[in-house]
Amino acid sequence: DTEVTQTPKHLVMGMTNKKSLKCEQHMGHRAMYWYKQKAKKPPELMFVYSYEKLSINESVPSRFSPECPNSSLLNLHLHALQPEDSALYLCASSHQGASETQYFGPGTRLLVL
Amino acid sequence: ELKVEQNPLFLSMQEGKNYTIYCNYSTTSDRLYWYRQDPGKSLESLFVLLSNGAVKQEGRLMASLDTKARLSTLHITAAVHDLSATYFCAVGSSNTGKLIFGQGTTLQVKP
Repeated sequence: DTEVTQTPKHLVMGMTNKKSLKCEQHMGHRAMYWYKQKAKKPPELMFVYSYEKLSINESVPSRFSPECPNSSLLNLHLHALQPEDSALYLCASSHQGASETQYFGPGTRLLVL
Repeated sequence: ELKVEQNPLFLSMQEGKNYTIYCNYSTTSDRLYWYRQDPGKSLESLFVLLSNGAVKQEGRLMASLDTKARLSTLHITAAVHDLSATYFCAVGSSNTGKLIFGQGTTLQVKP
C-alpha cells in the first residue's frame, strides 16, 4: 500500500479562522513532509519531520504550525492566514529521508478569503 | 545551493511524435526522480535514477541519467494524448535532507 491520505480535499477559510490539515500514511515511513504548491509552479518544501521530530523548517511563517502526533500522522495547523496562502498543500512521506522516493498525498486545496 | 532546471517549460506536440525533456542540476546528488502531475491532482512517481548511465523505461517514457554532465532526460516515444500532464524532475540530497524540484514541463499532446 503506497497511499498517503489527506483531509480535507478542499478548504475555504477566512483570515481570522483556525483550521487544520491532516495527513496519514501506513507504509511505516519515518519521514514526512509538507509542501505548498501554487498554480503552474513546482512544490515548495515547508517542513520535514524525521522520526517524529521536526528536522527542517524552510523559514515558514508562524501562522503555519506543523505537528507530528505519531509516526503515521502529520498535521498542519493554520491560523490567521493571508489570501496569498491560497494554494495546494501536499503531504508526502518516504522510508527514511528525502533522498528516497517520496509518495505524495492527493493534497488539500486551500482558499483563504 | 542545489538548483534544478528543466527545458522546455511547455511542449505542444502531435500524437505519434517523439520528444525529449531535459533536466539539469547544479551539484552532485544522490538520486534523480521524475514525477508526473495531472491538472488539479497530486504527484505520481515515475522513475528514480540512482547511478550514472541509469536508464529506465515504462511504456512510452524512458528516463536516463548522466551524472558527469548533471543531466537527466525524459524521452517520449510516439506520444499519445494520455501523456498530457506536467512532468517534474527532482533531485534528492541526503546532505540537505531535501528534494529540489525543477520548474516542471507542461506537455500537451494534440490528436
